[in-house]
Amino acid sequence: GQQVMQIPQYQHVQEGEDFTTYCNSSTTLSNIQWYKQRPGGHPVFLIQLVKSGEVKKQKRLTFQFGEAKKNSSLHITATQTTDVGTYFCAGLGGSNYQLIWGAGTKLIIKP
Amino acid sequence: SAVISQKPSRDICQRGTSLTIQCQVDSQVTMMFWYRQQPGQSLTLIATANQGSEATYESGFVIDKFPISRPNLTFSTLTVSNLSPEDSSIYLCSVSQGVTYNEQFFGPGTRLTVL
Repeated sequence: GQQVMQIPQYQHVQEGEDFTTYCNSSTTLSNIQWYKQRPGGHPVFLIQLVKSGEVKKQKRLTFQFGEAKKNSSLHITATQTTDVGTYFCAGLGGSNYQLIWGAGTKLIIKP
Repeated sequence: SAVISQKPSRDICQRGTSLTIQCQVDSQVTMMFWYRQQPGQSLTLIATANQGSEATYESGFVIDKFPISRPNLTFSTLTVSNLSPEDSSIYLCSVSQGVTYNEQFFGPGTRLTVL
């Protein structure tokens, strides 16, 4: 079945360093959504990308959707403690038109 | 955005019993979903709750184990039946407007522990 692979599983950064997580689908996606889940919390919607090659920014967060609509990335510039959590991508596609969730990337700020 | 509440927030249940989780939304929504999330893991869709008709279950989930009701556009319940320790997990309700998978708003979740 269709899969959305997300890497890395964890990323340890010093506060102020950048963070990037990548998602790759085996098939073309209709759109891709990004969510953030704080420790002990529930997923919170961040953004949806629909167009090929689309780039969207939210303050220090930059989201990209690949030209082939099979991959996407989230980049955070100059991480802060408030960025801590797990970032999930979720791609819409497949024969059943389902939302397929990535495994998530956990952002950890080194003490 | 929709505001979603879930009851209970957590529960500890004995093997063989059942737990019913309620999901209440502050506005009418088109789509309601039920997810399961193991600690540190991704989300797994259990089913889509359909208003006035039977829920649509994902592969590996069956109605006998996870009966779902959705009597109106603001409320749904998920029952986890014949509990076993493997059912220990966080159960999340989410909602979305429109007829496709638009942005989803999640409830706070129900943490279930089965002894």
